[in-house]
Amino acid sequence: GQNIDQPTEMTATEGAIVQINCTYQTSGFNGLFWYQQHAGEAPTFLSYNVLDGLEEKGRFSSFLSRSKGYSYLLLKELQMKDSASYLCAVRDFTGGGNKLTFGTGTQLKVEL
Amino acid sequence: DTEVTQTPKHLVMGMTNKKSLKCEQHMGHRAMYWYKQKAKKPPELMFVYSYEKLSINESVPSRFSPECPNSSLLNLHLHALQPEDSALYLCASSQELPGTSGSGEQFFGPGTRLTVL
Repeated sequence: GQNIDQPTEMTATEGAIVQINCTYQTSGFNGLFWYQQHAGEAPTFLSYNVLDGLEEKGRFSSFLSRSKGYSYLLLKELQMKDSASYLCAVRDFTGGGNKLTFGTGTQLKVEL
Repeated sequence: DTEVTQTPKHLVMGMTNKKSLKCEQHMGHRAMYWYKQKAKKPPELMFVYSYEKLSINESVPSRFSPECPNSSLLNLHLHALQPEDSALYLCASSQELPGTSGSGEQFFGPGTRLTVL
């Protein structure tokens, strides 16, 4: 099974940088995903890591350390529209490699 | 077309009703998923279909019955639900693994907001 932990809530200022951490314990690792979910909407894909290191996509970057069971999502130049829940999700090899288990989610509030 | 569609958007049903949720995608994805999401909680996996065959059932009660009529469609049949089954039901699809060169990320539909009275 999977055990995935994230902070419940974070608050940051518009224009600033925020780092959302995720730690996981897995019985079989096949990639880590970050999703953004606004209230009442579907999750949308932000980033993917399967090898150690940093992946950068515009204002968003994600880092993975498989040996430490650790990932973070870095959001730069925060905007008000970035206020949302950020979900860390780990994929394992169950069922042919399609099983995705989500962490509890981090509710980010961006303030002026 | 990079969209997953779900109908209906909202559904209110009694505990004795039978209803169905529908999901459709035209991205050529061969893996499709049902998730249940309660308020302020993450999505919880219910079922996975791979090449139209059920590959994962996360010990979901039999009052939820999935069906995959073809590679583009996924249904969830509901019968004799309980009030605690009220939630947002999300459908998702992805490229099938292994054999993909991409991340195989899941694309989510907007969900069906289900209320059981």
